Amino acid sequence: KQEVTQIPAALSVPEGENLVLNCSFTDSAIYNLQWFRQDPGKGLTSLLLIQSSQREQTSGRLNASLDKSSGRSTLYIAASQPGDSATYLCAVTPRGGSEKLVFGKGTKLTVNP
Amino acid sequence: EPEVTQTPSHQVTQMGQEVILRCVPISNHLYFYWYRQILGQKVEFLVSFYNNEISEKSEIFDDQFSVERPDGSNFTLKIRSTKLEDSAMYFCASSRIAGLWLTDTQYFGPGTRLTVL
Repeated sequence: KQEVTQIPAALSVPEGENLVLNCSFTDSAIYNLQWFRQDPGKGLTSLLLIQSSQREQTSGRLNASLDKSSGRSTLYIAASQPGDSATYLCAVTPRGGSEKLVFGKGTKLTVNP
Repeated sequence: EPEVTQTPSHQVTQMGQEVILRCVPISNHLYFYWYRQILGQKVEFLVSFYNNEISEKSEIFDDQFSVERPDGSNFTLKIRSTKLEDSAMYFCASSRIAGLWLTDTQYFGPGTRLTVL
């Protein structure tokens, strides 16, 4: 059974700092990995999707990498801003004909002005 | 930009009552999903729906739950007899492509907060 873990559970940084969020998954048989952002009491906003054949994806100040063989992904946020404060969720789509996403519990990021 | 919408934003119900949560997926999407998030816990998959039938469901999705696409735009989740433990945020999502060889981004709605008293 696929399990997704995110470390740390919470992170507080000063504005302007570059930071890395970590995600690990137990089964490397995945179709893709997605990073989401969730603001308090709100829905999930998709940030980046990495297909299993890809190594990384970039969008603006965000860069996500995927090492499928080791079951790891990182989300790199450059020059963090207070508006980046949110919970960041990692999710994988397991292989085997399934479309479902299996989520980690998230990393709650606080960027202090 | 197209987005997934959900109604109501908050539903309060008594235990044992039926509730219907509604979603309007993005118009050209073909795959639809329901997830739920109990407060403080992970987002959990409930069910996926394609071509007017369920393609996969989780252990949570028992006989109390059902999904329907009653027309060309709406996608609903019905809980027949709610329990206290059904209290959660319910998210609808949709995607263009999913399946064995190619998967795509799932776009999530803002959620319906269900409170069962």
